[in-house]
Amino acid sequence: DGGITQSPKYLFRKEGQNVTLSCEQNLNHDAMYWYRQDPGQGLRLIYYSQIVNDFQKGDIAEGYSVSREKKESFPLTVTSAQKNPTAFYLCASTGTGDNYGYTFGSGTRLTVV
Amino acid sequence: KQEVTQIPAALSVPEGENLVLNCSFTDSAIYNLQWFRQDPGKGLTSLLLIQSSQREQTSGRLNASLDKSSGRSTLYIAASQPGDSATYLCAGSGGGSNYKLTFGKGTLLTVNP
Repeated sequence: DGGITQSPKYLFRKEGQNVTLSCEQNLNHDAMYWYRQDPGQGLRLIYYSQIVNDFQKGDIAEGYSVSREKKESFPLTVTSAQKNPTAFYLCASTGTGDNYGYTFGSGTRLTVV
Repeated sequence: KQEVTQIPAALSVPEGENLVLNCSFTDSAIYNLQWFRQDPGKGLTSLLLIQSSQREQTSGRLNASLDKSSGRSTLYIAASQPGDSATYLCAGSGGGSNYKLTFGKGTLLTVNP
């Protein structure tokens, strides 16, 4: 079955460390997204990519970086510059055109220790 | 900037009751609208997608409608069941395209046996 795979499910980061969250899709979707979810807040867009080798900042990109070297993959790096990284991170994808809904992965919970 | 409000924030009903969840957008120029379900600690599961040319969608006991003139959407759940207990999120894309989905904070639904 087609879908989005996020790994790991749980991730612990020490202060000052960079960590990378994986997102892989086999839906042949062109666009991919990273959202952050905090308790009591809606999902907020971090970065998105509409095509390979191109990506744009979302509403809360500071302290994060991404790459899009392959259509199937859109990894997110949480850098030491992100001062409050503890959150639930969700990856999503959509197809090209206007008739596609968004498909989400199962999420990665990142905790600073 | 688009903002999405979901009312009520929480709802508790007895099993078998019909219920309505509400969602409103500050910018009524919504392109696509999607309703999701989220179980605790899990990713988002798509329930219904109302595409740009549509006003309503139905799937089983669920019906979603969108009034583009007012920027309001409703999700109707018929004959609620304990398994419907979850957080329900609405999200819309704007700017004439399907990119950059903006989310509400969700409605936490509890269906009591």
